[in-house]
Amino acid sequence: EDKVVQSPLSLVVHEGDTVTLNCSYEVTNFRSLLWYKQEKKAPTFLFMLTSSGIEKKSGRLSSILDKKELFSILNITATQTGDSAVYLCAVSGVWGAGTKLIIKP
Amino acid sequence: EPEVTQTPSHQVTQMGQEVILRCVPISNHLYFYWYRQILGQKVEFLVSFYNNEISEKSEIFDDQFSVERPDGSNFTLKIRSTKLEDSAMYFCASSVSRLGLDGYTFGSGTRLTVV
Repeated sequence: EDKVVQSPLSLVVHEGDTVTLNCSYEVTNFRSLLWYKQEKKAPTFLFMLTSSGIEKKSGRLSSILDKKELFSILNITATQTGDSAVYLCAVSGVWGAGTKLIIKP
Repeated sequence: EPEVTQTPSHQVTQMGQEVILRCVPISNHLYFYWYRQILGQKVEFLVSFYNNEISEKSEIFDDQFSVERPDGSNFTLKIRSTKLEDSAMYFCASSVSRLGLDGYTFGSGTRLTVV
């Protein structure tokens, strides 16, 4: 059975800290790995990763994929309270449970 | 920026009633999806739709559920006889390519409460 496991389930840090969120997967037919940020309602798209070892970057957020070890990480540097959200990982249509990130001022 | 719109934003219905959730996907997108998220739980795939037919569906999407694209712009999810456990946030999404390889665009959701 295909599955996507995210860790940790929740994380509380202080503003300015750096966080690393993990997504590991077992899917029969890998096509892409997607990261989303979910605040109050709809998830918003962050990154799509298809190739190993190529870092995608957007401001303070970055992500990389390891297709050999079947995982991806999402890094957020210099965190701000606006980064508080649930971060979701989806691999070829299978969604993880998310990591709830809380940034304390 | 193009967006997926969903109506209503919140619906309360009695158990056993039929509900129709409406979505207008982004106009040049070809693949349409419904997801649900029970409060505090993970996003769950329900169904994908392409070329006027269901392309994939999950175990959740049983005979009580149906989808339709009645007029080329709307994409609807019908629940025939709602149960308490159907209470959830229902998200519509659309994408240019299959499995959202370019990233799905989600609507802001319809919160369905069954009482």
